[in-house]
Amino acid sequence: EDQVTQSPEALRLQEGESSSLNCSYTVSGLRGLFWYRQDPGKGPEFLFTLYSAGEEKEKERLKATLTKKESFLHITAPKPEDSATYLCAVSPGYNKLIFGAGTRLAVHP
Amino acid sequence: GAGVSQSPRYKVAKRGQDVALRCDPISGHVSLFWYQQALGQGPEFLTYFQNEAQLDKSGLPSDRFFAERPEGSVSTLKIQRTQQEDSAVYLCASSVYQANEKLFFGSGTQLSVL
Repeated sequence: EDQVTQSPEALRLQEGESSSLNCSYTVSGLRGLFWYRQDPGKGPEFLFTLYSAGEEKEKERLKATLTKKESFLHITAPKPEDSATYLCAVSPGYNKLIFGAGTRLAVHP
Repeated sequence: GAGVSQSPRYKVAKRGQDVALRCDPISGHVSLFWYQQALGQGPEFLTYFQNEAQLDKSGLPSDRFFAERPEGSVSTLKIQRTQQEDSAVYLCASSVYQANEKLFFGSGTQLSVL
């Protein structure tokens, strides 16, 4: 069964304190792995797509990496505005995305 | 428009009532998706349209759920005889691609069934 597990469920950081979020997955043929950010009361916002092991993508303070079994979202020197829920999703095909439950990140000044 | 628009933003229904949720995707976006998000969980896939064709409805939880996109733009998700377990946020997303690449999500409709 295709499955995505994210850890930790919640993370509290001080401003400037770097950390990583984990996304472990099992899928019958990975076409792509996606990271989205979701703010309260809003829909998810696209961040990255990764297609193959070893691939890395960066955007501002965020860097996503991919191995054959997991992905990491590294947050460098986070700011309070980075506070959100970060969702990981896998795609076995071109139709549905299978999302994890997310990591709720809180960055305090 | 500037983004994906969903209406209503909130909907309260009595158990057994029928509801209709509307999605206006970004103009020109070929693909349209519906997802259901329970509190504290990630979105779960419901159905996928490419233009007006419903190519995948494997995630619809029962035959009480029905979706359409008759002209390849606006879509409606209809839930008949609502049950308490239908309470969730219903998210619509669209993409310029003929696939689930780089989805743009609306803010969702929060459905509460009493």
